[in-house]
Amino acid sequence: GAVVSQHPSWVICKSGTSVKIECRSLDFQATTMFWYRQFPKQSLMLMATSNEGSKATYEQGVEKDKFLINHASLTLSTLTVTSAHPEDSSFYICSAGGQPVAAYYGYTFGSGTRLTVV
Amino acid sequence: SQQGEEDPQALSIQEGENATMNCSYKTSINNLQWYRQNSGRGLVHLILIRSNEREKHSGRLRVTLDTSKKSSSLLITASRAADTASYFCATENQAGTALIFGKGTTLSVSS
Repeated sequence: GAVVSQHPSWVICKSGTSVKIECRSLDFQATTMFWYRQFPKQSLMLMATSNEGSKATYEQGVEKDKFLINHASLTLSTLTVTSAHPEDSSFYICSAGGQPVAAYYGYTFGSGTRLTVV
Repeated sequence: SQQGEEDPQALSIQEGENATMNCSYKTSINNLQWYRQNSGRGLVHLILIRSNEREKHSGRLRVTLDTSKKSSSLLITASRAADTASYFCATENQAGTALIFGKGTTLSVSS
């Protein structure tokens, strides 16, 4: 089945630094990838949708300049949290979908990245 | 924005008992999906039910969908300690391009 690999699984960084999270589709081409954010004991909130070769579409309230998304190839999307602050500490999860098959079999998620900004 | 609500928010049961979680949504849908999340992990797709289906089974899982009430339920029969996790329902956004999740139900199964 479709596998999405997300790295790193956890990262601790200092306030003001940038962190890059990678999401790779291992055995299929993901024309669309999604980035979600999840606070403790809460649901997943969609941050942005990225399509290969074009600019990401951000949800209302998500800062484009803070959360940079790049989807340069059909198998890789990256989320860079720039100038991270403690309030950016959260669980970030990517997902590949938007394919016809996803409408029948569901979306495939990465294992998530726990970001802690100190 | 979130599509809907799940209830209960938390559920604690004993092994062997059945667990029922409910989900309500707001807009018309093409399908509704249920996902499971173990603590601090990614999501695993459990089951997808299309808008023209009323009930679907997969192993110990049974999902119902009532489009007139805009609600769905997930039943886990003969629960096991390993079923302890958070369960989310999700529907696609209006553009049909991304999943929007409910708030989730945290299930604890004790042995």
